[in-house]
Parts: sequence; C-alpha cells; structure tokens
Amino acid sequence: AQTVTQSQPEMSVQEAETVTLSCTYDTSESDYYLFWYKQPPSRQMILVIRQEAYKQQNATENRFSVNFQKAAKSFSLKISDSQLGDAAMYFCAYRRDEGSNYQLIWGAGTKLIIKP
Amino acid sequence: GAVVSQHPSWVICKSGTSVKIECRSLDFQATTMFWYRQFPKQSLMLMATSNEGSKATYEQGVEKDKFLINHASLTLSTLTVTSAHPEDSSFYICSARESLAGVGEQFFGPGTRLTVL
Repeated sequence: AQTVTQSQPEMSVQEAETVTLSCTYDTSESDYYLFWYKQPPSRQMILVIRQEAYKQQNATENRFSVNFQKAAKSFSLKISDSQLGDAAMYFCAYRRDEGSNYQLIWGAGTKLIIKP
Repeated sequence: GAVVSQHPSWVICKSGTSVKIECRSLDFQATTMFWYRQFPKQSLMLMATSNEGSKATYEQGVEKDKFLINHASLTLSTLTVTSAHPEDSSFYICSARESLAGVGEQFFGPGTRLTVL
C-alpha cells in the first residue's frame, strides 16, 4: 500500500526567507502524481503544485517549486520569499495514475509559521 | 477554476437528530466525489468515494448506515449523518473530480463544521 510521510510537524521561517518542506512516499507504481496542498486557517484546501512522476523536470509555480527525486521517493516543497499569507498547514499527497478511483493518499501535514 | 460548494458551512444539532450536508460542483461535472473527515490539527481522513448513479464505496471503519451518501447527479452529492452523537462532531470536507480532465484533479469544498450537542 502507498504511504506518504511528512516528518516535520511544524516549520517556521522569517518573512522573505526560503523554507523547504519535506515529503517522502512509498509506492511500487511507476506512474503517479504528487501534490502539495495548502490549508489556511479558513480550512479551504488549495492546490499549490502538482508533479507528474513521468516528468523529470521539477514543477514550479511562481514562488513555489518542488524537488522531485523519484528514485529516493522524495518530494519536497520550496517556498521562496515567504509571505505572511503563506502561513498554513501544508499537506503532501500521492495519487496513482489510474485506478483506485483517483483517491489521494495524504501525509500528516506540516504547519508553516511565518515570522514577521 | 473549478468551484465546489458545500452547504451548510456550519451546523449545530442535538444528539439523535440527522444532518444533511450538500456538496455541489458549480461549473463542472463530477463523476466522482469524495467525502473526508478532518479532526483538529490532523490530516484528511477519507470516509467514502461516491460515483454518480452508483452506491458509495466506504473506507474501512466508516459506518455506512450512519453516514449515508447519495450522488444522484453529476453536480451534487450529499452526506447525511444519521442519529448524530457528540463524537460525530468534526469538520467534513468534500471534493469533486473533474471528469473530463486527464489528470483527474480533485477540487475541494470549503468544508462543513458539525457540532453535535
């Protein structure tokens, strides 16, 4: 069975600095998707970034980028120029390419604190 | 972008009563909807997967007779918590998978906070 591990329950960073959130996963599949979701205090889940396993190039979305290491089964999120609005819970999630009704497997989450 | 709504956003009910939560995809058709439960400071726990026109698939440990799910159309799924008790108090989140998108990305509703007195 697939599992997703986020080993950092909480991280803090100074505003404008860079922070990296860690995520590892376990799977025997070769094709899958990885996601980072943000859940701010409003509790609305927001997709931050997505990575297709077949793509070697790391995904980027403005200040957000990932370091996808397929062999190591690692998928870290880097937030550059941290802003106060980045404060939230961040969840890493895995999904098979097909089957399993596209269910997401979730990590435990990392609480990100931004220090002004 | 795709929008999913949930109603109500917050509900308080007495123990023993039933509560219905609606999940709607507003601008896309969703063949699959998911219902999650989230406890404070924890991750999302999948309760069930709902496919339009068929019975929901419940995760192990989730009582199907207590958490009734109906997915009658491509834009609406409902979760009914029957005979609610204080231990059912939680934050419930739905998501919908856009049926035509290759990635099959899930879009999330804003959640419903249920408090059972």
